[in-house]
Amino acid sequence: AQSVTQLGSHVSVSEGALVLLRCNYSSSVPPYLFWYVQYPNQGLQLLLKYTSAATLVKGINGFEAEFKKSETSFHLTKPSAHMRDAAEYFCAVSDMSNSGYALNFGKGTSLLVTP
Amino acid sequence: NAGVTQTPKFQVLKTGQSMTLQCAQDMNHNSMYWYRQDPGMGLRLIYYSASEGTTDKGEVPNGYNVSRLNKREFSLRLESAAPSQTSVYFCASSVETAYGYTFGSGTRLTVV
Repeated sequence: AQSVTQLGSHVSVSEGALVLLRCNYSSSVPPYLFWYVQYPNQGLQLLLKYTSAATLVKGINGFEAEFKKSETSFHLTKPSAHMRDAAEYFCAVSDMSNSGYALNFGKGTSLLVTP
Repeated sequence: NAGVTQTPKFQVLKTGQSMTLQCAQDMNHNSMYWYRQDPGMGLRLIYYSASEGTTDKGEVPNGYNVSRLNKREFSLRLESAAPSQTSVYFCASSVETAYGYTFGSGTRLTVV
């Protein structure tokens, strides 16, 4: 089954600094890849997705991610962090081994933004 | 536009009690999913329904049953609740995986 690994359960950045959240996937075929954000006590919201079109994907709130097949990575970046970006971020991959192509999620990275 | 609606939002059960978590979507999505979220574990798939009339087990199905009542509704039942089932449960739906999921706001379940 396809899976993702998120490196770093907690990441802390200063307001205005670059945000880099890491995600590596395991898949023998080109997968669908997603980043979701979860604000406290809320459900998950789709940030962006890769579905085999452009390798650089732009999402909401100024986030983007680059699909790198050679590195099996799909890291999430944002040039300048805002306080409102503090949340939990999840990388997910579609599992082609089940009939529903259900998503397998990473364990999450908690982003802290300091003034 | 309600999206995905989960009820209840909070529930406390005693060990051995049963309950059903309800989920309904109004987006005419084909597929629906139940996940549980535990600290440090991310989201783990319990059951899914790729289309109306079908259900399949996910990663952690033990202790749960599901019913895809119609295209809109997908319920999750705990027959005999255990403390290990204390978690936040999320329902999600999608028209097709490539488009991503729409999530409900979750049910926070505590089993004592």
